[in-house]
Amino acid sequence: QVQLVESGGGVVQPGRSLRLSCAASGFSFSTYTIHWVRQAPDKGLEWVTVIWYDGSNKYYADSVKGRFTISRDNSQNTVYLQMNSLRAEDTALYYCARDHSGGDAFDIWGQGTMVTVSS
Amino acid sequence: QSALTQPASVSGSPGQSITISCTGTSSDVGRYNYISWYQWHPGKAPKLMIYDVSNRPSGVSNRFSGSKSGNTASLTISGLQTEDEADYYCSSYTSSSTVVFGGGTKLTVL
Repeated sequence: QVQLVESGGGVVQPGRSLRLSCAASGFSFSTYTIHWVRQAPDKGLEWVTVIWYDGSNKYYADSVKGRFTISRDNSQNTVYLQMNSLRAEDTALYYCARDHSGGDAFDIWGQGTMVTVSS
Repeated sequence: QSALTQPASVSGSPGQSITISCTGTSSDVGRYNYISWYQWHPGKAPKLMIYDVSNRPSGVSNRFSGSKSGNTASLTISGLQTEDEADYYCSSYTSSSTVVFGGGTKLTVL
């Protein structure tokens, strides 16, 4: 079964850090680019970051650039999102998603992991 | 990275057709054919409905179709069904090698 499973969310104080994980199964993980997308409560979807299949390229939304870092371990079929200097506006449900065919279309999504930044 | 512009809501009756627009700029929608559409039901993960402007993934009904003209992409749903009631989001690749989403459109099937 093709799936992505996120973990690592929780409640964290402003300025602190959190690391999210996205574990893949059921497909050839090392050949797919993976994205993170978030959705704040009662808001729309916001693209966060992407890492190419081989980790050679990474891109970030301006809202997280310099604070978030994406990485992957193809031997563990896992993508990570290190989130530093967290802000209240980072509060959201974070999804990881598989890139369908290199055209930035997301065909497989995880169930999401909730991050709440609050004092 | 301004969000793409979508109407906040659209509505239609069962059997009718509706179109949702998605307006960007010459740096995203107008430059690339990497336009996608997603259906989102609350509490569930988004579902890819259209990719590369007009292609449907396997399993998506042919009642869903996509197109693009200039800086505006469109999603058309024909033969509306009650289960089509959901939020719809467009997205586009950008000249900054990033992705931008639209603000979302709530479809109500009356």
